[in-house]
Amino acid sequence: DGGITQSPKYLFRKEGQNVTLSCEQNLNHDAMYWYRQDPGQGLRLIYYSQIVNDFQKGDIAEGYSVSREKKESFPLTVTSAQKNPTAFYLCASGPVLSNYNEQFFGPGTRLTVL
Amino acid sequence: AQSVAQPEDQVNVAEGNPLTVKCTYSVSGNPYLFWYVQYPNRGLQFLLKYITGDNLVKGSYGFEAEFNKSQTSFHLKKPSALVSDSALYFCAVSYYGNNRLAFGKGNQVVVIP
Repeated sequence: DGGITQSPKYLFRKEGQNVTLSCEQNLNHDAMYWYRQDPGQGLRLIYYSQIVNDFQKGDIAEGYSVSREKKESFPLTVTSAQKNPTAFYLCASGPVLSNYNEQFFGPGTRLTVL
Repeated sequence: AQSVAQPEDQVNVAEGNPLTVKCTYSVSGNPYLFWYVQYPNRGLQFLLKYITGDNLVKGSYGFEAEFNKSQTSFHLKKPSALVSDSALYFCAVSYYGNNRLAFGKGNQVVVIP
């Protein structure tokens, strides 16, 4: 899992709550990504950031928010607007203009809605 | 736009037999292709990539993949499978000027002792 940490490993959310997933990297990468993984659907991109204080929506951004105040950190907030948030969430990082460089993944956070 | 198809949900293979996991792609321009492996409740680990050059790419843990432009394929192979190769395998594609990866849905590989 390289130099990327995600916390917590498991997270439980009640209906109507916002929760924040942490992602930190010490690889000096400019780009960071959040993916959602559901069984049989592969990885879907939620948000990504190529530089501090800037980020773009991915394919399934509705109900999620992010910030990028530091190069090392890219937290993801799952808001109450996300109707089906139970999933495995993966954070990744890579060099900017990393279209030919591999992304490095964290160990993931499993979110369950009670 | 870019997309990846991994047509098989699960691949079963006996230990010691050759392993093949199939991937086809669709992309505008020249593709950059990747294979990742995921063990249960873990993040993805990079196996290998094709950017340009030799169509046969060698990667980690004895895996290799062959790029075939005419068939738009990038199949992952291993000559002799191990039980420890049992995992979920993802193919992904990108292209020049695009920082986003498009992932396939994944293939579960089961190596039978």
